[in-house]
Amino acid sequence: KQEVTQIPAALSVPEGENLVLNCSFTDSAIYNLQWFRQDPGKGLTSLLLIQSSQREQTSGRLNASLDKSSGRSTLYIAASQPGDSATYLCAVKHGTGNQFYFGTGTSLTVIP
Amino acid sequence: GAVVSQHPSWVICKSGTSVKIECRSLDFQATTMFWYRQFPKQSLMLMATSNEGSKATYEQGVEKDKFLINHASLTLSTLTVTSAHPEDSSFYICSAHSPGQGGKTQYFGPGTRLLVL
Repeated sequence: KQEVTQIPAALSVPEGENLVLNCSFTDSAIYNLQWFRQDPGKGLTSLLLIQSSQREQTSGRLNASLDKSSGRSTLYIAASQPGDSATYLCAVKHGTGNQFYFGTGTSLTVIP
Repeated sequence: GAVVSQHPSWVICKSGTSVKIECRSLDFQATTMFWYRQFPKQSLMLMATSNEGSKATYEQGVEKDKFLINHASLTLSTLTVTSAHPEDSSFYICSAHSPGQGGKTQYFGPGTRLLVL
C-alpha cells in the first residue's frame, strides 16, 4: 500500500526566506504527484501537478520537482511571504480516475 | 476550471441523528467521486469511492452501513452519516473525477465540517 510522508511536519521561517518542503512515497509506480495548499478549516487548493514523466513544474514562486525512481518530491518556495502560511500536502495517484494518497502535511508559518 | 461544491459547509448535530452531505460537480459530469475524511492535525484519508449508478467501494475499516453513499447522477453524490457519534466529528471532503481533463482529472470540494455533540 502506498505511504506518503512529508518532512518536516511543521516549519516556521521569517519572511523572505527560501524554503523546501519534502515528500516521499513508497511505491514509485505513480501516475502523477500533486502539491496542495490547505488553509485552516478550508478545502484544498491545487498548486502544482507533475506527471510521472516530468521532472519539475514551476508556477510563480513555487517549483516542484519529482524523482520518481527514488520516491521523492520537493516543493521549493522562493521569497516566502506571510500569506504563504498554510498546510502543504503532497498527494500521489496511481492512475487516471484513481484515488489520491495524501501525505501527512507540512504546516508552514511565515513570520512577518 | 471545474468547480465542485459541498453542502452544507458545516453542520452540528446531536449524537444518534443522521446527517447528509452533498457533493456536486457544477460544470462537468463526474463518473467517479471520492469521499475523504480528515481528523484534526491529520491528513486526508480516503473513505470510499463512489461510481455513478453502482455501489460505492469502501476502504478497509470504513463501515458501509454507517456511511451511506449514493451517486444517483453524474453531478451528485451524497454521504449520509447514520447514527452519528462524537467520534464521527471530522472534516469531510469530496473530489470529483472528470474524464476529459487530461492529467488533472480530480477537483476537490471545499469540505464539510461535522460536529457531533
